Amino acid sequence: QKEVEQDPGPLSVPEGAIVSLNCTYSNSAFQYFMWYRQYSRKGPELLMYTYSSGNKEDGRFTAQVDKSSKYISLFIRDSQPSDSATYLCAMSSGNTPLVFGKGTRLSVIA
Amino acid sequence: GAVVSQHPSRVICKSGTSVKIECRSLDFQATTMFWYRQFPKKSLMLMATSNEGSKATYEQGVEKDKFLINHASLTLSTLTVTSAHPEDSSFYICSARDHGGRKDTQYFGPGTRLTVL
Repeated sequence: QKEVEQDPGPLSVPEGAIVSLNCTYSNSAFQYFMWYRQYSRKGPELLMYTYSSGNKEDGRFTAQVDKSSKYISLFIRDSQPSDSATYLCAMSSGNTPLVFGKGTRLSVIA
Repeated sequence: GAVVSQHPSRVICKSGTSVKIECRSLDFQATTMFWYRQFPKKSLMLMATSNEGSKATYEQGVEKDKFLINHASLTLSTLTVTSAHPEDSSFYICSARDHGGRKDTQYFGPGTRLTVL
């Protein structure tokens, strides 16, 4: 079993839809959870950061962490064509390199 | 804040030459930087962890004599691809950890596209 599992997609949704992106993980020591957005031929950009379990909201983005289920989610409300990118989940146990999911390719169709 | 730059953004070189890529943290000090490699439509592959003032830690399968990493200051790390060959062509991305910020957060540079002819 890989440490972090993420469905690579591609995921295609119409503009305005709510998008749900998910990752599961196996290492119970993970405490820090992040979501990055990567546009084609660019470096990843940090979107959301969460420590331990709980929800965090920032504009149209909501990150959820359920440590009991080893499951994290990113929700995008009112999705826009500019949200079309690859979304990477990442996590760590503390002072270690981030462990990344393989990324989910999202296309938002106008 | 938390901006990381990379230079050059794109480089084309002949087989057998060496190429140096710079990674700078512009508005924070980064005692730890990371180098990744990414193939088209693939995820990030960690190559090495670079700590300021000490030797880099390389991931299994990454040749340390091929990919030389230097982290001489708190804001600069360099990756030198020595005697480059076409199979080294890839997208190289660095990231820096902001130790004064949120724990374990890594900020990425824009990447360098290397093409070896």
